[in-house]
Amino acid sequence: EVQLVESGGGLVKPGGSLRLSCAASGFTFSSYSMNWVRQAPGKGLEWVSSISSSSSYIYYADSVKGRFTISRDNAKNSLYLQMNSLRAEDTAVYYCARDLGIAVADDAFDIWGQGTMVTVSS
Amino acid sequence: QLVLTQSPSASASLGASVKLTCTLSSGHSSYAIAWHQQQPEKGPRYLMKLNSDGSHSKGDGIPDRFSGSSSGAERYLTISSLQSEDEADYYCQTWGTGIVFGGGTKLTVL
Repeated sequence: EVQLVESGGGLVKPGGSLRLSCAASGFTFSSYSMNWVRQAPGKGLEWVSSISSSSSYIYYADSVKGRFTISRDNAKNSLYLQMNSLRAEDTAVYYCARDLGIAVADDAFDIWGQGTMVTVSS
Repeated sequence: QLVLTQSPSASASLGASVKLTCTLSSGHSSYAIAWHQQQPEKGPRYLMKLNSDGSHSKGDGIPDRFSGSSSGAERYLTISSLQSEDEADYYCQTWGTGIVFGGGTKLTVL
């Protein structure tokens, strides 16, 4: 079964850091570009970051650029999101998602995880 | 600027059909989109990729009740024979100059 499982969410104080993980299974992880998407409580979906299959290409939304770092370990079938300098407005459920096509951030997202909640509050 | 516009809400009766709309911003009428369904308290689920000519490819296991069509800058998702589990939020997504999501449409099944 093709599956993405996020973990690492939790409660963190403003200015703090958190590292999210996404474990992939059921497909050849190293062949696909991957993404992070977030959803603030009661709000819509917001793209956060994308990474190509070999990590050669990385993109960020302006709202997280300079604070978040996306990475992957193809040997471990895992995607990561290192979040630093967290703000209240980063509070959201964070989803990892797989790109349908080969090019990074240039196609539909065809597999989604169940999400992990990040709450930034003092 | 690439923007997707969706109506915030829609409703239809059990067993009926409903057509949801996603509108591409000016100058982007040739773009493909994807439709995603998000049931309450769940992660999104990919429904289909929809091209400007109306051709579409659905995700694994997506029922035939779900179909897509296009007209100009508008992309449609039609759900026929509505069931209670179709009550969900529906998002469109596009790409080209970054990844963009529409604001979502909350579908209520009466």
